[in-house]
Amino acid sequence: DIVMTQTPLSSPVTLGQPASISCRSSQSLVHSDGNTYLSWLQQRPGQPPRLVIYKISNRLSGVPDRFIGSGAGTDFTLKISRVEAEDVGVYYCMQATQFPLTFGGGTKVEIK
Amino acid sequence: EVQLVESGGGLVQPGGSLRLSCAAYGFTVSSNFMTWVRQAPGKGLEWVSVIYVGGTTSYADSVKGRFTISRDNSKNTLYLQMTSLRSEDTAVYYCARFSRFGYYFDYWGQGILVTVSS
Repeated sequence: DIVMTQTPLSSPVTLGQPASISCRSSQSLVHSDGNTYLSWLQQRPGQPPRLVIYKISNRLSGVPDRFIGSGAGTDFTLKISRVEAEDVGVYYCMQATQFPLTFGGGTKVEIK
Repeated sequence: EVQLVESGGGLVQPGGSLRLSCAAYGFTVSSNFMTWVRQAPGKGLEWVSVIYVGGTTSYADSVKGRFTISRDNSKNTLYLQMTSLRSEDTAVYYCARFSRFGYYFDYWGQGILVTVSS
């Protein structure tokens, strides 16, 4: 199974300042079809998860452009360019290059 | 509007069984990859099972042989039959649609709590 490791565990951030989360996979996430199926999910308190980024850097319609995904191979980053109060929650990276699907342990973004 | 609504959770004794349902609205279950993902209290996310468009299924090692995913096309509903339940199966169970084009979860239910305890 592919192991996903996220850092940091917690990220206290001042409103309006950037936040950055790292995710590393135990093996390359490049699929045989050439795509890299790394996504990021946000889970607000008491809510189900919600997709914010798919295939490393793509945002679904409705996701603010302050969420920026980057990376390649085994190293990936989610950056929130200017944190807003509604961004508080736990963020998970997830790989779908192979089953079983696996998730990182989560990073809690909170306001200082 | 796409919506997923889970039901069937509750308290069950170790060794017992439970069937979760996930009614889908706004799309056709049988035309999509459908999954179950769980989250133990205060913990992270764990993928449980998937059913593909053709009906093939796959499971996490932790539930293989004990859980069965299925769907009823006439009811547009996804199921998870859980047997031989253990305390470590205690979690909120989410059904989620898995985009077979982008390989990501695009819709989630609100989740249903399953508690395994004597």
